[in-house]
Amino acid sequence: QKEVEQDPGPLSVPEGAIVSLNCTYSNSAFQYFMWYRQYSRKGPELLMYTYSSGNKEDGRFTAQVDKSSKYISLFIRDSQPSDSATYLCAMSAYTGFQKLVFGTGTRLLVSP
Amino acid sequence: DAGVIQSPRHEVTEMGQEVTLRCKPISGHDYLFWYRQTMMRGLELLIYFNNNVPIDDSGMPEDRFSAKMPNASFSTLKIQPSEPRDSAVYFCASTSDRDATNEKLFFGSGTQLSVL
Repeated sequence: QKEVEQDPGPLSVPEGAIVSLNCTYSNSAFQYFMWYRQYSRKGPELLMYTYSSGNKEDGRFTAQVDKSSKYISLFIRDSQPSDSATYLCAMSAYTGFQKLVFGTGTRLLVSP
Repeated sequence: DAGVIQSPRHEVTEMGQEVTLRCKPISGHDYLFWYRQTMMRGLELLIYFNNNVPIDDSGMPEDRFSAKMPNASFSTLKIQPSEPRDSAVYFCASTSDRDATNEKLFFGSGTQLSVL
């Protein structure tokens, strides 16, 4: 079993829809959680960073962490065609990058 | 700032050949990372450097892989000899101490490696 599980998709939604992207994990020591966005033929870019449980909002994006369920989510409101990309969750038990574990990514397609 | 620059963008080679991937990190960044991305395994850290010194190479799959950082503005990842299972996208990333507190990595656009 992988430490971090993510549905590969693709997830297809119409423009304006609310999108929910999710990851589950098995390591209860994880306490730093990130979402990276990766456009086709580009490297990932950090979208959201949260520490421990709770919610964090940034514009149309909300990251949610439920440590009791070992489940994290990224919500995108009023989705746009420009949101079409692959979304990678990443997590770590420590600060620093050597123990950062990435999910395999969920591909999102937002149609106009 | 031009961002992290990787070359070549695409590399097609035959099994047994030597492959060298190149990376120029963002100026002023003192951490450099090499990742490999595949559909099955996602992003995996191969090695990372701090101030040009290799800190953790435990992700390097085999002795066929080697990485160097001769100065703050250049790093290479070499595979010798290459094998078909090395086919993947290889990313270089860099960051600074300030961005590291938010786990913020700056990735290049990657090198798509195909070993036939």
